[in-house]
Amino acid sequence: DADVTQTPRNRITKTGKRIMLECSQTKGHDRMYWYRQDPGLGLRLIYYSFDVKDINKGEISDGYSVSRQAQAKFSLSLESAIPNQTALYFCATSDSSGQGFYGYTFGSGTRLTVV
Amino acid sequence: GQSLEQPSEVTAVEGAIVQINCTYQTSGFYGLSWYQQHDGGAPTFLSYNALDGLEETGRFSSFLSRSDSYGYLLLQELQMKDSASYFCAVRSPRGAGNMLTFGGGTRLMVKP
Repeated sequence: DADVTQTPRNRITKTGKRIMLECSQTKGHDRMYWYRQDPGLGLRLIYYSFDVKDINKGEISDGYSVSRQAQAKFSLSLESAIPNQTALYFCATSDSSGQGFYGYTFGSGTRLTVV
Repeated sequence: GQSLEQPSEVTAVEGAIVQINCTYQTSGFYGLSWYQQHDGGAPTFLSYNALDGLEETGRFSSFLSRSDSYGYLLLQELQMKDSASYFCAVRSPRGAGNMLTFGGGTRLMVKP
């Protein structure tokens, strides 16, 4: 099984619909992130969470909300989807323990299309 | 805030060496990280430089100059499977040091 699992892998939804993207991890990491990827714009941070009770907005949080249901689960919701939210969404995790930095572990992504 | 600049595309031939540059502007800096992403895939961690100098991992090396706010990823003995997008990312003090801000990515095309 993958360390970071995202569901669904692909989704087409209509404008105005509410949709939830889910992420679960078996890494035991405390920190989780949601990124959005658009061609030529790299990865932009939507929300991040450093533990179950800690949720923070990223650079592009408008139109999105998140829920950290458990240390291993972090979901992203689009309250009322619009076409310019069509993108590839990635969940990532990292570990805050220790002194080193060992990078992020990304899920396989959710390709969302809003029509 | 943070901003990162890297070329949008680079083309090289199999067996050659290619260097992907990254310059950054940041209000705080802990280190520079590199990620590889194949089409349709997830970004995967390649390297991290916190100190000036060159870090080598097999065919890939990463360099950092903090005084120049500059780094690069060096890929040697290019293989067709190296065709992918490469992202530099600044690790900043924001969020107790585990926050990454990514560049726009460089698409590397390796030709036979």
